Amino acid sequence: ETGVTQTPRHLVMGMTNKKSLKCEQHLGHNAMYWYKQSAKKPLELMFVYNFKEQTENNSVPSRFSPECPNSSHLFLHLHTLQPEDSALYLCASSQDIGTGSGYTFGSGTRLTVV
Amino acid sequence: RKEVEQDPGPFNVPEGATVAFNCTYSNSASQSFFWYRQDCRKEPKLLMSVYSSGNEDGRFTAQLNRASQYISLLIRDSKLSDSATYLCVLNTGTASKLTFGTGTRLQVTL
Repeated sequence: ETGVTQTPRHLVMGMTNKKSLKCEQHLGHNAMYWYKQSAKKPLELMFVYNFKEQTENNSVPSRFSPECPNSSHLFLHLHTLQPEDSALYLCASSQDIGTGSGYTFGSGTRLTVV
Repeated sequence: RKEVEQDPGPFNVPEGATVAFNCTYSNSASQSFFWYRQDCRKEPKLLMSVYSSGNEDGRFTAQLNRASQYISLLIRDSKLSDSATYLCVLNTGTASKLTFGTGTRLQVTL
């Protein structure tokens, strides 16, 4: 069973809705990440948090707003999304950043924007 | 040139066959390398790290060639359960992120 839990597993939302994705890790890791995976594209890094501080924003549109209240929880707040934002959103964690340690991924939230 | 390049496949092989994938990377400063496995509609899972000396885990062998900037994954005695997409992943040292390839799809058949 994965040590990284994401909810919801599936989400359908209209372009004017506001929703949030939740990620929780039970591994005692210090770093957490949001990735986007679209069909036939590599995983795209969105945000990096280390000890609950954001260390990287990979030029993500402001309609995606992350929040990291502590090292175990990560949220992605969604507002006024576009159909092209439909994708699999993956949360991951690692012991530390920059050390080359592998990541543990959550099962992802499959988002459809209508 | 893309940071990480993989042949998307699919590689269709019979059970018991040996299959190998290569992955090339453009940043010579890359320091850590991994192979991840991703099943259809599931999350990626770490398969193995790739070390300069090469490493083996059961039927899986990973190699790194820094001079030519590629890593490889060899799967011996393929099983039906090996069918998945194999992602080449690397970390460029001080960078706080992993860079993923688009993956190579493997389909093992009876």
